[in-house]
Amino acid sequence: NAGVMQNPRHLVRRRGQEARLRCSPMKGHSHVYWYRQLPEEGLKFMVYLQKENIIDESGMPKERFSAEFPKEGPSILRIQQVVRGDSAAYFCASSRTTGVRDTQYFGPGTRLTVL
Amino acid sequence: RKEVEQDPGPFNVPEGATVAFNCTYSNSASQSFFWYRQDCRKEPKLLMSVYSSGNEDGRFTAQLNRASQYISLLIRDSKLSDSATYLCVVTNYGQNFVFGPGTRLSVLP
Repeated sequence: NAGVMQNPRHLVRRRGQEARLRCSPMKGHSHVYWYRQLPEEGLKFMVYLQKENIIDESGMPKERFSAEFPKEGPSILRIQQVVRGDSAAYFCASSRTTGVRDTQYFGPGTRLTVL
Repeated sequence: RKEVEQDPGPFNVPEGATVAFNCTYSNSASQSFFWYRQDCRKEPKLLMSVYSSGNEDGRFTAQLNRASQYISLLIRDSKLSDSATYLCVVTNYGQNFVFGPGTRLSVLP
């Protein structure tokens, strides 16, 4: 049973370009979460999605960032017009349900570097 | 006040030592509690859930005190492989996880 998959593992972009990060949840999981980890800092929640729905985007920056989880295919975190401050590790996690004790399993992350 | 706070660390301990990490949370409605570990430049991995009655998994023991809004993790007989950052995680009804800043542990030979 494959775990959470993320690609690319490393992404380099120049300022002003777009970054697209993909996440495929574990088999049987329909809940996806995105987190950002800045260098030497803790993980910060960004957005929580179920298939075709954004449930909680309270951690998403108001501009340039968007996320989707289509009926078919992986979840996508999209960053438009990247800036150097967007350089970070972006982790995706998935869970089967949102039960009180249901844990989240993390993917290996995408490390974004903005030049 | 931050929603989840942890010992600032780092903790440098010799092999075989016992080490304890503390975590406090501010939201009294929090329902679920976990400890994750994160190795350098890797993803967080679940170490153990934390139950009200306390729970043990081998050398690891987790305790929860709801009245004090306090969680602890005890590691006995530390191994070199225990070196990592330990993350306290709190959630409410399975909604978004709130991670503490982490406590770094280095187990020295």
